[in-house]
Amino acid sequence: GNSVTQMEGPVTLSEEAFLTINCTYTATGYPSLFWYVQYPGEGLQLLLKATKADDKGSNKGFEATYRKETTSFHLEKGSVQVSDSAVYFCALTDAISNFGNEKLTFGTGTRLTIIP
Amino acid sequence: AAGVIQSPRHLIKEKRETATLKCYPIPRHDTVYWYQQGPGQDPQFLISFYEKMQSDKGSIPDRFSAQQFSDYHSELNMSSLELGDSALYFCASSLFDPGDTDTQYFGPGTRLTVL
Repeated sequence: GNSVTQMEGPVTLSEEAFLTINCTYTATGYPSLFWYVQYPGEGLQLLLKATKADDKGSNKGFEATYRKETTSFHLEKGSVQVSDSAVYFCALTDAISNFGNEKLTFGTGTRLTIIP
Repeated sequence: AAGVIQSPRHLIKEKRETATLKCYPIPRHDTVYWYQQGPGQDPQFLISFYEKMQSDKGSIPDRFSAQQFSDYHSELNMSSLELGDSALYFCASSLFDPGDTDTQYFGPGTRLTVL
C-alpha cells in the first residue's frame, strides 16, 4: 500500500535558520506529492506540489523536489520566519491509472516552531 | 477566491446521538473528499464522491454515511456517535482533470466533540 514517512517532530528553530523537513514515500502507481500546512486552529492549506519525477514545487520561499530515485520529497526553506510556525504534512496521491480523484495519504505531520 | 465551506464549524453531541456535517465545494469542483483528523493525528481518508457517485471509500465506519447532491454539496451523516468519533472533520474539493493530478483544496473543518 501507499505510505508517507515524515521527519519526527517537533522541530524548533531560530528565525532566519535553514529548514529541512524530510519526507519519503512508498507508492505503487504514479504518485503526485504535496506539502500541506496547518496553522493553529485552521484547516489544511496546500503549500506546494510536484506531479512527476524531478519536478520542483515552490511557494512562499519553500521548495521541494520530487526525487524518484530516493523516493523523497524533502521540504526546504532558506530563512524561516516566526509566521512559518505550523504543522507541515507531506502527502501523496497515487493515480494507478493516472486519473484524478485519488485520495490523499498523509504523513504524521511535523510541528515547526520558530523562535524570534 | 471562493473556498470550501463547511458547516457547522463546531458541534457538540452526546453519545449515541446523530450528527450531520455539510460541505460546499469550490464552485465548478465536481469531486468531494471527507477526512477525519483525530487529536495530534494526520488526516485519514473516509470517502469521496465524483459527480454524485461514490468514487472511493476508506476507513469509514458503517455508522457513517455520505452523499453528494445535485448541486455538488456533500453531507456526512454520523449515527450512534461514540467518544472516539471526536475529531476534526475536513472536506476537500477538486476539479477532475483526466490525465492530470487533481489538487485538493480543504475547508476549515468541523470540530465534533462527543460527550
